[in-house]
Amino acid sequence: GEDVEQSLFLSVREGDSSVINCTYTDSSSTYLYWYKQEPGAGLQLLTYIFSNMDMKQDQRLTVLLNKKDKHLSLRIADTQTGDSAIYFCAETRSNDYKLSFGAGTTVTVRA
Amino acid sequence: DTEVTQTPKHLVMGMTNKKSLKCEQHMGHRAMYWYKQKAKKPPELMFVYSYEKLSINESVPSRFSPECPNSSLLNLHLHALQPEDSALYLCASSQEEGPGFQPQHFGDGTRLSIL
Repeated sequence: GEDVEQSLFLSVREGDSSVINCTYTDSSSTYLYWYKQEPGAGLQLLTYIFSNMDMKQDQRLTVLLNKKDKHLSLRIADTQTGDSAIYFCAETRSNDYKLSFGAGTTVTVRA
Repeated sequence: DTEVTQTPKHLVMGMTNKKSLKCEQHMGHRAMYWYKQKAKKPPELMFVYSYEKLSINESVPSRFSPECPNSSLLNLHLHALQPEDSALYLCASSQEEGPGFQPQHFGDGTRLSIL
């Protein structure tokens, strides 16, 4: 099975908050990342969180980490049309170099 | 704006052609990566270079040949590709190769179409 899982689609109204969820299976996951990919572009590193943290806030972005449930979420406040993109959750582990991606969540912002 | 620059942005080639993809970064990173991404899928790792030496080859067919001429440049030479090789090819770099906190920074990719 997949090491990192995400729901595939999210539709949100402009101005509302978006919450994108991710679960991971490996308890040795040390670093968790959120990447954004706009149409026709590469991946943009949005934010990250270390496994010894519970929360990280950066302007409109809030990352929550529940280590017990191996659950990671990204909240985008005041969602704008420019936030429409695919969001990838990714992890690296303390004993491995590889960046493991989830399948990606396509976020559509409607007016 | 991305600090990893990839050229060309688009490439169309026949199955008998030889072409190269180029990637450049000036962040002083010593690890560079090639990924292949199909539509609506996450990137798949192909190669990792660390200090200009090939560190990881994820069982990529020999029709893809990477090269790292110096610490800022990474090339991917293409020859005799198949239609299923059509994809977005992404280059990334990080301070060092992992493990540890080594966030990867991606370019905008080269969209490759094989006729």
